Amino acid sequence: RKEVEQDPGPFNVPEGATVAFNCTYSNSASQSFFWYRQDCRKEPKLLMSVYSSGNEDGRFTAQLNRASQYISLLIRDSKLSDSATYLCVVGSGGYNKLIFGAGTRLAVHP
Amino acid sequence: DTGVSQDPRHKITKRGQNVTFRCDPISEHNRLYWYRQTLGQGPEFLTYFQNEAQLEKSRLLSDRFSAERPKGSFSTLEIQRTEQGDSAMYLCASSRPGTKTYEQYFGPGTRLTVT
Repeated sequence: RKEVEQDPGPFNVPEGATVAFNCTYSNSASQSFFWYRQDCRKEPKLLMSVYSSGNEDGRFTAQLNRASQYISLLIRDSKLSDSATYLCVVGSGGYNKLIFGAGTRLAVHP
Repeated sequence: DTGVSQDPRHKITKRGQNVTFRCDPISEHNRLYWYRQTLGQGPEFLTYFQNEAQLEKSRLLSDRFSAERPKGSFSTLEIQRTEQGDSAMYLCASSRPGTKTYEQYFGPGTRLTVT
């Protein structure tokens, strides 16, 4: 079983749609949680950290459920520019090495 | 620009050759990480430096791989006797101490193709 599991997609949605990504992780000792965005053949870019209380950044809302070991990302009012791969990421260990999911691909169409 | 930089951006080499990649982290970041990413997968952790000390190495890092960070600033990753399976994107990331969540920022990567 992979340490971080995500639905690979692709999710094909029209502009303006709301889309949700889910992720589960296996290590209950994980300490930090993130969503990264990766465009084709580019490096991952930090989208947002995820906190137990949930957090929002504009059109993006992230939730963490430690009991279920589940992380989610909600994107409202999708834009064409949101098309990318979204990586669910968990930090663990004393040095916070990042464990990445394989990514969920999002394609927003006009 | 004060982001993480990597050099070269692309490297094509023949099987059996040695290659070396360089990473320059964000200047105030003392933590430096190397990851490897293959097509369709998320990045996988390779190794971690805090200042000049290499504190963790993944079992993915075979004896042919070596990483250094001699003065606690830039880092190098060397692959000896490259194999076709080494073809991947090699990513470097850095983070600074004292942050709550140790957010890591990635460089543009070095794409290695072994022919």
